[in-house]
Amino acid sequence: NAGVTQTPKFQVLKTGQSMTLQCAQDMNHEYMSWYRQDPGMGLRLIHYSVGAGITDQGEVPNGYNVSRSTTEDFPLRLLSAAPSQTSVYFCASSYGGLLEGYTFGSGTRLTVV
Amino acid sequence: DQQVKQNSPSLSVQEGRISILNCDYTNSMFDYFLWYKKYPAEGPTFLISISSIKDKNEDGRFTVFLNKSAKHLSLHIVPSQPGDSAVYFCAASGWDSNYQLIWGAGTKLIIKP
Repeated sequence: NAGVTQTPKFQVLKTGQSMTLQCAQDMNHEYMSWYRQDPGMGLRLIHYSVGAGITDQGEVPNGYNVSRSTTEDFPLRLLSAAPSQTSVYFCASSYGGLLEGYTFGSGTRLTVV
Repeated sequence: DQQVKQNSPSLSVQEGRISILNCDYTNSMFDYFLWYKKYPAEGPTFLISISSIKDKNEDGRFTVFLNKSAKHLSLHIVPSQPGDSAVYFCAASGWDSNYQLIWGAGTKLIIKP
Protein backbone atom coordinates (compact mmCIF):
# COMPACT_ATOMS: atom_id res chain seq x y z
CA ASN A 1 0.00 0.00 0.00
CA ALA A 2 1.85 3.08 -1.27
CA GLY A 3 -0.41 5.75 0.34
CA VAL A 4 0.12 9.14 -1.29
CA THR A 5 2.82 9.35 -3.95
CA GLN A 6 4.21 12.66 -5.13
CA THR A 7 6.53 13.16 -8.07
CA PRO A 8 9.03 14.62 -8.61
CA LYS A 9 10.76 15.02 -5.24
CA PHE A 10 12.89 17.92 -6.45
CA GLN A 11 12.51 20.34 -9.36
CA VAL A 12 14.26 23.48 -10.54
CA LEU A 13 12.36 25.70 -12.96
CA LYS A 14 13.19 28.88 -14.77
CA THR A 15 10.85 31.83 -14.38
CA GLY A 16 8.00 31.54 -16.86
CA GLN A 17 8.22 27.79 -17.32
CA SER A 18 5.23 25.59 -16.62
CA MET A 19 5.12 22.19 -15.03
CA THR A 20 2.83 19.67 -13.35
CA LEU A 21 3.35 18.20 -9.91
CA GLN A 22 1.87 14.73 -9.76
CA CYS A 23 -0.07 13.26 -6.83
CA ALA A 24 -1.62 9.80 -6.68
CA GLN A 25 -3.27 7.90 -3.84
CA ASP A 26 -4.33 4.27 -3.67
CA MET A 27 -6.61 4.41 -0.61
CA ASN A 28 -9.82 5.32 -2.48
CA HIS A 29 -9.96 8.64 -0.60
CA GLU A 30 -12.54 11.11 -1.85
CA TYR A 31 -10.80 14.19 -0.45
CA MET A 32 -7.47 15.41 -1.84
CA SER A 33 -5.64 18.69 -1.40
CA TRP A 34 -2.46 20.59 -2.22
CA TYR A 35 -0.52 22.68 0.28
CA ARG A 36 2.63 24.74 0.15
CA GLN A 37 4.96 25.18 3.08
CA ASP A 38 7.27 28.16 3.34
CA PRO A 39 9.91 28.75 6.04
CA GLY A 40 8.45 29.92 9.34
CA MET A 41 4.90 29.42 8.18
CA GLY A 42 2.27 26.78 8.48
CA LEU A 43 0.94 24.85 5.53
CA ARG A 44 -1.26 26.94 3.26
CA LEU A 45 -4.00 25.39 1.17
CA ILE A 46 -3.74 25.93 -2.59
CA HIS A 47 -6.60 23.84 -4.02
CA TYR A 48 -8.69 20.93 -2.86
CA SER A 49 -11.13 18.37 -4.22
CA VAL A 50 -13.96 16.51 -2.49
CA GLY A 51 -14.34 13.99 -5.29
CA ALA A 52 -13.69 13.28 -8.95
CA GLY A 53 -14.80 16.21 -11.09
CA ILE A 54 -15.03 18.63 -8.14
CA THR A 55 -12.32 21.14 -7.23
CA ASP A 56 -12.24 24.35 -5.24
CA GLN A 57 -9.78 27.08 -4.35
CA GLY A 58 -7.97 27.32 -1.07
CA GLU A 59 -6.15 30.20 0.57
CA VAL A 60 -3.43 30.74 -2.08
CA PRO A 61 -4.73 29.53 -5.48
CA ASN A 62 -3.25 32.18 -7.79
CA GLY A 63 -0.80 30.80 -10.33
CA TYR A 64 -1.96 27.21 -9.90
CA ASN A 65 -4.52 25.00 -11.63
CA VAL A 66 -5.89 21.60 -10.68
CA SER A 67 -8.18 18.97 -12.11
CA ARG A 68 -9.59 15.74 -10.69
CA SER A 69 -10.57 13.36 -13.46
CA THR A 70 -10.15 10.22 -11.34
CA THR A 71 -10.40 9.44 -7.63
CA GLU A 72 -6.73 8.45 -7.57
CA ASP A 73 -5.00 11.43 -9.19
CA PHE A 74 -4.86 15.13 -8.36
CA PRO A 75 -2.17 16.95 -10.38
CA LEU A 76 -1.15 20.54 -9.64
CA ARG A 77 -0.16 22.70 -12.58
CA LEU A 78 2.04 25.78 -12.35
CA LEU A 79 1.06 27.92 -15.30
CA SER A 80 4.02 30.33 -15.47
CA ALA A 81 6.49 29.77 -12.63
CA ALA A 82 7.60 32.72 -10.52
CA PRO A 83 10.31 32.91 -7.83
CA SER A 84 7.52 33.44 -5.25
CA GLN A 85 6.41 29.88 -5.98
CA THR A 86 9.66 28.50 -4.61
CA SER A 87 8.39 26.27 -1.82
CA VAL A 88 7.81 22.73 -0.62
CA TYR A 89 4.55 21.33 -1.94
CA PHE A 90 2.56 18.63 -0.18
CA CYS A 91 -0.36 16.60 -1.44
CA ALA A 92 -2.75 15.06 1.06
CA SER A 93 -5.80 12.80 1.00
CA SER A 94 -8.46 11.55 3.40
CA TYR A 95 -11.92 9.97 3.56
CA GLY A 96 -13.20 13.43 4.46
CA GLY A 97 -13.99 13.14 8.16
CA LEU A 98 -13.41 16.42 10.00
CA LEU A 99 -11.52 14.75 12.85
CA GLU A 100 -9.74 12.33 10.59
CA GLY A 101 -6.16 13.13 9.80
CA TYR A 102 -4.93 13.50 6.30
CA THR A 103 -2.35 11.19 4.74
CA PHE A 104 0.42 13.28 3.23
CA GLY A 105 2.89 12.60 0.48
CA SER A 106 6.58 13.18 1.13
CA GLY A 107 6.61 16.50 -0.69
CA THR A 108 8.09 18.17 -3.77
CA ARG A 109 10.79 20.78 -3.24
CA LEU A 110 10.45 23.35 -6.03
CA THR A 111 12.95 26.10 -6.78
CA VAL A 112 12.15 28.78 -9.36
CA VAL A 113 15.15 30.77 -10.56
CA ASP B 1 -3.50 37.82 10.40
CA GLN B 2 -2.67 34.35 11.69
CA GLN B 3 -5.76 32.56 12.94
CA VAL B 4 -3.77 29.69 14.47
CA LYS B 5 -0.67 30.59 16.44
CA GLN B 6 2.08 28.47 17.88
CA ASN B 7 4.11 31.03 19.75
CA SER B 8 7.06 28.82 20.67
CA PRO B 9 9.25 28.13 17.62
CA SER B 10 11.16 25.50 19.60
CA LEU B 11 11.04 23.53 22.84
CA SER B 12 13.69 21.38 24.49
CA VAL B 13 12.67 18.62 26.94
CA GLN B 14 14.55 15.92 28.80
CA GLU B 15 13.84 12.35 27.76
CA GLY B 16 11.26 10.78 30.06
CA ARG B 17 9.71 14.10 31.08
CA ILE B 18 6.46 15.66 29.87
CA SER B 19 6.44 17.74 26.68
CA ILE B 20 3.71 20.40 26.46
CA LEU B 21 3.11 22.08 23.11
CA ASN B 22 0.73 25.02 22.97
CA CYS B 23 -1.52 26.46 20.30
CA ASP B 24 -3.82 29.49 20.34
CA TYR B 25 -6.51 30.38 17.85
CA THR B 26 -8.49 33.54 17.22
CA ASN B 27 -11.54 32.28 15.33
CA SER B 28 -14.35 31.24 17.66
CA MET B 29 -16.01 29.39 14.75
CA PHE B 30 -13.32 26.70 14.76
CA ASP B 31 -14.76 23.37 15.98
CA TYR B 32 -12.20 20.77 14.94
CA PHE B 33 -8.58 20.70 16.01
CA LEU B 34 -5.80 18.36 14.93
CA TRP B 35 -2.14 17.84 15.76
CA TYR B 36 0.43 16.62 13.27
CA LYS B 37 4.06 15.65 13.61
CA LYS B 38 6.63 16.21 10.88
CA TYR B 39 10.12 14.83 10.41
CA PRO B 40 12.58 16.51 7.98
CA ALA B 41 12.05 15.62 4.31
CA GLU B 42 8.76 13.88 5.08
CA GLY B 43 5.13 14.90 4.97
CA PRO B 44 3.21 15.61 8.20
CA THR B 45 1.77 12.62 10.06
CA PHE B 46 -1.54 12.85 11.90
CA LEU B 47 -1.30 12.41 15.69
CA ILE B 48 -4.55 13.20 17.45
CA SER B 49 -7.68 15.32 17.11
CA ILE B 50 -10.41 16.85 19.25
CA SER B 51 -13.76 18.48 18.59
CA SER B 52 -15.15 21.47 20.44
CA ILE B 53 -17.70 19.34 22.32
CA LYS B 54 -14.85 17.74 24.28
CA ASP B 55 -12.11 19.20 26.44
CA LYS B 56 -9.73 16.25 26.41
CA ASN B 57 -8.77 13.40 24.12
CA GLU B 58 -6.17 10.78 24.88
CA ASP B 59 -4.30 8.31 22.69
CA GLY B 60 -1.48 6.42 24.34
CA ARG B 61 1.28 8.87 25.31
CA PHE B 62 -0.50 11.76 23.59
CA THR B 63 -3.26 13.87 25.17
CA VAL B 64 -4.83 16.96 23.67
CA PHE B 65 -6.59 19.51 25.91
CA LEU B 66 -8.99 22.14 24.59
CA ASN B 67 -10.01 25.30 26.46
CA LYS B 68 -12.66 26.90 24.26
CA SER B 69 -13.16 29.97 26.41
CA ALA B 70 -9.44 30.77 26.18
CA LYS B 71 -9.21 29.62 22.56
CA HIS B 72 -6.26 27.49 23.54
CA LEU B 73 -5.24 23.91 23.02
CA SER B 74 -2.25 21.96 24.15
CA LEU B 75 -0.62 18.64 23.31
CA HIS B 76 0.95 16.67 26.16
CA ILE B 77 3.44 13.90 25.45
CA VAL B 78 4.23 11.64 28.41
CA PRO B 79 6.85 10.28 28.69
CA SER B 80 8.88 12.03 26.00
CA GLN B 81 11.06 9.78 23.87
CA PRO B 82 13.95 10.57 21.45
CA GLY B 83 11.73 9.62 18.49
CA ASP B 84 9.38 12.44 19.46
CA SER B 85 11.93 15.00 18.25
CA ALA B 86 10.12 16.61 15.30
CA VAL B 87 8.13 19.67 14.32
CA TYR B 88 4.58 19.68 15.68
CA PHE B 89 1.78 21.53 13.91
CA CYS B 90 -1.67 22.30 15.21
CA ALA B 91 -4.46 22.88 12.73
CA ALA B 92 -8.08 23.97 13.07
CA SER B 93 -11.19 24.06 10.94
CA GLY B 94 -14.79 25.18 11.12
CA TRP B 95 -17.65 26.69 9.23
CA ASP B 96 -15.67 29.91 8.60
CA SER B 97 -12.85 28.06 6.84
CA ASN B 98 -15.27 25.92 4.83
CA TYR B 99 -13.98 23.10 7.04
CA GLN B 100 -10.52 23.36 5.46
CA LEU B 101 -7.60 23.21 7.86
CA ILE B 102 -5.84 26.40 8.97
CA TRP B 103 -2.35 25.59 10.22
CA GLY B 104 -0.04 27.04 12.83
CA ALA B 105 3.63 27.67 12.00
CA GLY B 106 4.84 24.71 14.05
CA THR B 107 6.96 24.08 17.14
CA LYS B 108 10.23 22.18 16.89
CA LEU B 109 10.47 19.73 19.79
CA ILE B 110 13.91 18.50 20.79
CA ILE B 111 14.14 15.60 23.22
CA LYS B 112 17.46 15.59 25.06
CA PRO B 113 18.90 12.22 26.19
